[in-house]
Amino acid sequence: GQQLNQSPQSMFIQEGEDVSMNCTSSSIFNTWLWYKQDPGEGPVLLIALYKAGELTSNGRLTAQFGITRKDSFLNISASIPSDVGIYFCAGQSSGTYKYIFGTGTRLKVLA
Amino acid sequence: EAEVAQSPRYKITEKSQAVAFWCDPISGHATLYWYRQILGQGPELLVQFQDESVVDDSQLPKDRFSAERLKGVDSTLKIQPAELGDSAMYLCASSLDFGQGALAKNIQYFGAGTRLSVL
Repeated sequence: GQQLNQSPQSMFIQEGEDVSMNCTSSSIFNTWLWYKQDPGEGPVLLIALYKAGELTSNGRLTAQFGITRKDSFLNISASIPSDVGIYFCAGQSSGTYKYIFGTGTRLKVLA
Repeated sequence: EAEVAQSPRYKITEKSQAVAFWCDPISGHATLYWYRQILGQGPELLVQFQDESVVDDSQLPKDRFSAERLKGVDSTLKIQPAELGDSAMYLCASSLDFGQGALAKNIQYFGAGTRLSVL
């Protein structure tokens, strides 16, 4: 099935560093969601974005809805060990309202 | 805080056996989704219900998979017979609604999943 491109695929960072990841699509979306998934658990919603250009924060997390409506970005500031996990984006198609998920970015934080 | 409940959390079965997974969505959520997530990939939609009706099962392998939501509340996903390639995490999600209208009502909340291993 179709999946969105996420990059980077994985990253190893030192505790305290900032992290940036993005998600791109060839289609226009009307909603972007960002989830975090821990091993063996279901995805947990982090941030929801509804308008092009929108910038939304949730604690140390900040996400942006790209101007072209074909991409989204997630930043994590001052990373901590519990930020470890897989981050997924999900875009909602403006035509079908179906959500398509990204391939995931695996984050590891070194203390 | 309201959650999507799934059971069992883990299931080990032999190929050709039948397995069933159960999901109870957040109270009041009209839309229920079943996803399959293969290790290292994002979730992929299998079937979507609006109340008790199936609105999308285009990616459901109907020769062996079936899903129902008889009273429009909880749902069951069944695989019969299970194959080795069915080993994956099966996730259930729910949303207040689906489609046009307030987009916030379309946000999906996930359960903890059922990890299936077919031997």
